[in-house]
Amino acid sequence: AQSVAQPEDQVNVAEGNPLTVKCTYSVSGNPYLFWYVQYPNRGLQFLLKYITGDNLVKGSYGFEAEFNKSQTSFHLKKPSALVSDSALYFCAVRDVNSNSGYALNFGKGTSLLVTP
Amino acid sequence: EPEVTQTPSHQVTQMGQEVILRCVPISNHLYFYWYRQILGQKVEFLVSFYNNEISEKSEIFDDQFSVERPDGSNFTLKIRSTKLEDSAMYFCASMGVDEKLFFGSGTQLSVL
Repeated sequence: AQSVAQPEDQVNVAEGNPLTVKCTYSVSGNPYLFWYVQYPNRGLQFLLKYITGDNLVKGSYGFEAEFNKSQTSFHLKKPSALVSDSALYFCAVRDVNSNSGYALNFGKGTSLLVTP
Repeated sequence: EPEVTQTPSHQVTQMGQEVILRCVPISNHLYFYWYRQILGQKVEFLVSFYNNEISEKSEIFDDQFSVERPDGSNFTLKIRSTKLEDSAMYFCASMGVDEKLFFGSGTQLSVL
C-alpha cells in the first residue's frame, strides 16, 4: 500500500519569507514522489518530481523539495514566497515497483496563503 | 503548452441517471487517467488506461463505472446509475514518457 500525508490544511506566510509545505509518505518499496499545484478553477499542474539521484529536487516557479528517506518526507520549499504562490499544493507518491498503471496516490492538499 | 480539455465543466444530474464525462488528452500521450476529488477530501485515483485497456483501477471504480477511448482523441468516463456520493470534481489526466501528469480543469458533478 502507498500513501502520503500532508499534516497541514493551511500554511500562511508573509511575502518574501521562506515557505515549507510538509509531506510524508509510506510505500512498501522505493518511492517516486511528486508535487502538484492547483490554482482556482484549474487542473493540477506538475511542479517537480523525485525519482532517484540528488535528494534536493528543483522544480517550476522557484520551488524545490528535499527527499529524506530516513524521515520518509518530501517537504516542498521556496526561499522567498510570492503572493502569486497562493494555491492548493498536493504531494503524491507512487511505489517504484507498482508500474501497472503508473497511478499516483495524492495527499489531501495544503492551502498556501501568502500575504503581502 | 499543450492542455487536457474536459467537458462539461459542470454537470448536474438526478440520482440514478447515467452521465458521461468527456476528456481530450494531450495528443502524443499514451497513458490516461481519471481521478476525483470530493469536496474537502483528497484527490483519489479511479482508473488508468493504456493501450486501449484498463491497466489499473481502484476500489472506487466499481461496475457502475466504465471508460472508453472511442476514437483517437477522446477519453470518456461513464457512470451508469449515479448516486449521491458520486458528487465530486472529476479530473482527467494524461501522461507521456516523462511521468508528468497533465490534468484537465475538471468536471464538477452534482448528483441530486
